[in-house]
Amino acid sequence: EVQLVESGGGLVQPGGSLRLSCAASGFTFSSYWMSWVRQAPGKGLEWVANIKQDGSEKYYVDSVKGRFTISRDNAKNSLYLQMNSLRAEDTAVYYCARHTLWPWYYFDYWGQGTLVTVSS
Amino acid sequence: DIQMTQSPSSVSASVGDRVTITCRASQGISSWLAWYQQKPGKAPKLLIYAASSLQSGVPSRFSGSGSGTDFTLTISSLQPEDFATYYCQQANSFPLITFGQGTRLEIK
Repeated sequence: EVQLVESGGGLVQPGGSLRLSCAASGFTFSSYWMSWVRQAPGKGLEWVANIKQDGSEKYYVDSVKGRFTISRDNAKNSLYLQMNSLRAEDTAVYYCARHTLWPWYYFDYWGQGTLVTVSS
Repeated sequence: DIQMTQSPSSVSASVGDRVTITCRASQGISSWLAWYQQKPGKAPKLLIYAASSLQSGVPSRFSGSGSGTDFTLTISSLQPEDFATYYCQQANSFPLITFGQGTRLEIK
């Protein structure tokens, strides 16, 4: 059974940092693109970042470029999101999502999400 | 950037009704479009990919159509469990991805 379990969310002050983790199981993690998708309270879905199977390519939505870094450890079946210089508008539930195998363009499994609250 | 616009933003319908939700892309995206269903407090669920392909395990009352800039999600006969929010997602600019703003389907 495919499972994605996020952790690391919490309350952080503006300008602070947080590192999210996503533990994957039930599939060959190293074969899949992976993404982070967020959802602000009462709002829609926003794709944040994704990473190629071997970590050689990483892409970000403009609003987080230079502040967030996506990474993965295939040996540990884990995905990460390092979030720096956090702003109030980064407050959201952050989901880890697996891309479909081929084409890679869609999301077929999602975690339960972890809430990040940026507030003083 | 490709913008995705869904309409309507919300719709009320009854069990057994046929419902259609529309998604329009700001430029042509071929058939690189997916539809997701999200219930309150839950993660999204993939329903349709490549505009019209039904994801495994999804009931056949869900169908998708369209190509280029205009797409539709149709639920042929609404069931109580279908009341949720629906999102379209374009993949033409992969690895950059955008979602529509969502359509909330409510019980009339």
